[in-house]
Amino acid sequence: SQELEQSPQSLIVQEGKNLTINCTSSKTLYGLYWYKQKYGEGLIFLMMLQKGGEEKSHEKITAKLDEKKQQSSLHITASQPSHAGIYLCGAVYNTDKLIFGTGTRLQVFP
Amino acid sequence: KAGVTQTPRYLIKTRGQQVTLSCSPISGHRSVSWYQQTPGQGLQFLFEYFSETQRNKGNFPGRFSGRQFSNSRSEMNVSTLELGDSALYLCASSLATVETQYFGPGTRLLVL
Repeated sequence: SQELEQSPQSLIVQEGKNLTINCTSSKTLYGLYWYKQKYGEGLIFLMMLQKGGEEKSHEKITAKLDEKKQQSSLHITASQPSHAGIYLCGAVYNTDKLIFGTGTRLQVFP
Repeated sequence: KAGVTQTPRYLIKTRGQQVTLSCSPISGHRSVSWYQQTPGQGLQFLFEYFSETQRNKGNFPGRFSGRQFSNSRSEMNVSTLELGDSALYLCASSLATVETQYFGPGTRLLVL
């Protein structure tokens, strides 16, 4: 079973709409990373959350880590075609390894 | 600062051959991690090197090995290639373990 589950698996939205991607962990997180990947390319670092209740924003993307540090959400406001790609959450547990979620494929159409 | 670079970008091999992939980290970064990404398994951790020492290892067979040089550059080797080794291999570097990782563009390996 996956330690880190993302939902939804895929998302198709119209340009200008808001959307949310969730990342749920089966155990307490030491740190949670969000990355974006264009198909077949490397991952682009978006942001990292460590403290329960923490919220960070970059341009139109906001990520939150819940108080219990077992779930994170990524929210995109007024989506644009440039937001299209695969969003991956990555978790650090006590092993120091970065474990990735299943990924969410986002498509934004005009 | 230049980003993480990986060579080659694309590779085609046949079953039974061996392959070596290279990763040059961001200048000053001492930790290099390797990942395998496939449509079926997603992104899976292979191993991490820090100061020329393997610090962490994922659940991959011994055919997958790596090393890190004194300049922090890293290589990954896969021996006796199998069809299932076809994947995008990603390398990431960070200042140290548990620091934010920055990824390279990947090497796409196709095994025929």
